[in-house]
Amino acid sequence: DIVLTQSPGTLSVSPGERATLSCRTSQTVSSAYLAWYQQKPGQAPRLLIYGASSRATGIPDRFSGSGSGTDFTLTINRLEPEDFAVYYCQQYGRSRYTFGQGTRLEIK
Amino acid sequence: EVQLVESGGGLVQPGGSLRLSCAASGFTLSNYWMHWVRQAPGKGLVWISRINSDGSSTPYADSVKGRFTISRDNAKNMLYLQMNSLRAEDTAVYYCAREEVAVSLDYWGQGTPVTVSS
Repeated sequence: DIVLTQSPGTLSVSPGERATLSCRTSQTVSSAYLAWYQQKPGQAPRLLIYGASSRATGIPDRFSGSGSGTDFTLTINRLEPEDFAVYYCQQYGRSRYTFGQGTRLEIK
Repeated sequence: EVQLVESGGGLVQPGGSLRLSCAASGFTLSNYWMHWVRQAPGKGLVWISRINSDGSSTPYADSVKGRFTISRDNAKNMLYLQMNSLRAEDTAVYYCAREEVAVSLDYWGQGTPVTVSS
């Protein structure tokens, strides 16, 4: 199975600043099948980015995704208080749907 | 409005069985692949299984293969997860989620908790 490794495990950033989250895959993943999710305490995950760089419906444009091959990035510009949460990357394809272990974004 | 509502979770002894349900509304279930994803307390998301539109393809994570069975009833707008031979490590919140083609999991339920303990 493809392993997804997210870094850092915890990221401390001040509101208004930019956060950059990394997701590295153990094998090449099609950009078409890389997604990012946000999860807040006690809530279900919410889809942010699909196809590595396409924003899901209703997601603000301060969220952006990039990358290809084995290295993918989620960038959050101008951090708002509601953006502090746990973020997961996920690859989907070939009947296997693997998640990374998550990055906790906390207020500095 | 798309809604997914899980039910059926609870406390079960090791070795026991439980059947989770996911009621879908606001969309035509038969047009979508559906998934179960779980999250152990304080841990990350783990994909469990997926079922295609007509139920003919059902891959599983290695950790549950042979013990869990995913199924669906499109006429009733329901998704199911039959869980047998439950272990302590199956303790988690179980989410159902909808897969939009080439988009991934675009809608999730609120989750149902399962605790396996004696």
